[in-house]
Amino acid sequence: NAGVMQNPRHLVRRRGQEARLRCSPMKGHSHVYWYRQLPEEGLKFMVYLQKENIIDESGMPKERFSAEFPKEGPSILRIQQVVRGDSAAYFCASSPPRLGGAEAFFGQGTRLTVV
Amino acid sequence: AQSVAQPEDQVKVAEGNPLTVKCTYSVSGNPYLFWYVQYPNRGLQFLLKYITGDNLVKGSYGFEAEFNKSQTSFHLKKPSALVSDSALYFCAVRDTDSGGYQKVTFGTGTKLQVIP
Repeated sequence: NAGVMQNPRHLVRRRGQEARLRCSPMKGHSHVYWYRQLPEEGLKFMVYLQKENIIDESGMPKERFSAEFPKEGPSILRIQQVVRGDSAAYFCASSPPRLGGAEAFFGQGTRLTVV
Repeated sequence: AQSVAQPEDQVKVAEGNPLTVKCTYSVSGNPYLFWYVQYPNRGLQFLLKYITGDNLVKGSYGFEAEFNKSQTSFHLKKPSALVSDSALYFCAVRDTDSGGYQKVTFGTGTKLQVIP
């Protein structure tokens, strides 16, 4: 059972370009979370999704950022017109659908550098 | 709303000494509590969790954590620190009173440095 897979691991974009980050959850997991980690800082919640639904996007910037988790395929975090301040590590986590104390499992992250 | 606090940005201990990384939380219901570790340029790895039952929880790599409901704390401990334990540690909480909503809130992290 493969873990949470994120790609690419490293992404370099020029200011104004679009960044697309992908996350494939663990098999059987239907909940996906995206977090951002700025250098030397902790994790900031961005968005929580279930298949085809955005449950909580309270941590997402209002503009330029969007996320989806389609019925088929990975979850996508999309950043349009990137700026230098978007440079960070973006982590995806997944958890199984049932309630309870299940922990979330994290991917290795995508490190976005905006030049 | 749920929240978690890690009051220390950094903890330094000598190798072989006991270590404690502090965490306090706030929830409206009963908490699910987690500890994760992050090594440089890596993702977060799950260490241990408290769901219910025994207040002392044992996890990976010799770590344990003690749930204290009256102090709303969940401190991470290890009897004898190793240099290889040096990493960033995150405490996290999920409120059981959140219905079907499973958002987990993370602390800001504590950098543990074990000195040889």
